[in-house]
Amino acid sequence: GENVEQHPSTLSVQEGDSAVIKCTYSDSASNYFPWYKQELGKRPQLIIDIRSNVGEKKDQRIAVTLNKTAKHFSLHITETQPEDSAVYFCGAGGTSYGKLTFGQGTILTVHP
Amino acid sequence: ETGVTQTPRHLVMGMTNKKSLKCEQHLGHNAMYWYKQSAKKPLELMFVYSLEERVENNSVPSRFSPECPNSSHLFLHLHTLQPEDSALYLCASSQDRSQGEAGELFFGEGSRLTVL
Repeated sequence: GENVEQHPSTLSVQEGDSAVIKCTYSDSASNYFPWYKQELGKRPQLIIDIRSNVGEKKDQRIAVTLNKTAKHFSLHITETQPEDSAVYFCGAGGTSYGKLTFGQGTILTVHP
Repeated sequence: ETGVTQTPRHLVMGMTNKKSLKCEQHLGHNAMYWYKQSAKKPLELMFVYSLEERVENNSVPSRFSPECPNSSHLFLHLHTLQPEDSALYLCASSQDRSQGEAGELFFGEGSRLTVL
């Protein structure tokens, strides 16, 4: 089955800095890579996703890059704001009944 | 309208109790899921119902029993649980594409379960 490793487990940045979270996966058949944000006490929500036919996708301050050869993908957040503080989860999979394997999560703290 | 609603939000039960978690989705999706979220662990998929076919994680103990009476409702029946089953149980739904290609997961707020 798929195995997803996510790093770092915690990340602390100053407001305005950039934040990068990285994930590696094991199953070369995986073709869908979403990122979810979970604020304290709230539900996870999709913030960006990428499919294996593209290498990069941007949405305002958020971008995701995918390297299929190396089997890793990253979340980039620029000009971070305190409201970006949350737990971020990466996922990989998508080949069978929408099943995804998630990483362990990264606790991002943005200090004002 | 939250899209995916779960009840109860909090549940405390003893190891000999029987209880059920309920999930309802108002998004017209064709797949529903149960995930377990424990501290410092990845989200763990427990069960998937896609187009009314059940797919499960074989590592889930039989004391967890899902039920999906229709495409909008999903239950998780709990029986003789253990303290290590204490966690946040998240329901989700998605509109899967053909051959199970993944779509965005829409999560509920979760049911916080404590087993004494």
